[in-house]
Amino acid sequence: KAGVTQTPRYLIKTRGQQVTLSCSPISGHRSVSWYQQTPGQGLQFLFEYFSETQRNKGNFPGRFSGRQFSNSRSEMNVSTLELGDSALYLCASSPDGINYGYTFGSGTRLTVV
Amino acid sequence: GESVGLHLPTLSVQEGDNSIINCAYSNSASDYFIWYKQESGKGPQFIIDIRSNMDKRQGQRVTVLLNKTVKHLSLQIAATQPGDSAVYFCAEIPLNSGYSTLTFGKGTMLLVSP
Repeated sequence: KAGVTQTPRYLIKTRGQQVTLSCSPISGHRSVSWYQQTPGQGLQFLFEYFSETQRNKGNFPGRFSGRQFSNSRSEMNVSTLELGDSALYLCASSPDGINYGYTFGSGTRLTVV
Repeated sequence: GESVGLHLPTLSVQEGDNSIINCAYSNSASDYFIWYKQESGKGPQFIIDIRSNMDKRQGQRVTVLLNKTVKHLSLQIAATQPGDSAVYFCAEIPLNSGYSTLTFGKGTMLLVSP
């Protein structure tokens, strides 16, 4: 059974650019969550999608957005990149986001220069 | 590999020892708790979970204890092995989040010497 797949694995962008990260959940999982991990702030919740609907959103600026497709694959987008957006972005999937724990992907390492 | 955290609390043990990692959670309304292990360059890996109607749960070589009175969670690893070296996070799911939001603790780095 394939795990959670995140692409790309590494990314370098320039300040002001935008970036799109992709996440393919475990087959059959309908809930996908995104987290940002930095040495200073640790793991912070960005947003969660279930059946193409955003159910929860963390405390991040509007530059951070996401979406989920009908096959449960999800993308997150960050516009007008800032140096502080450099982080490991983790995607996690769960059958329903309620009764089961989340399985994480290996993340996308974003560096903003 | 990438660093998951600077200045994390660190627990250093010898191979074969038992390890206890502690976590204080913040939300008294949290109903579901999970321990994750994160190795360098990887995402967090599920270890064990516990719901608020339990105070202890055992897995293979791991035990989680929950004390709701003082909002404290602990992870016990028996016969610690070098492969257990990683950063360990506790995570809570508050009831009012609709069960879809994980709030993570800061993490503890476990170093196991052979």
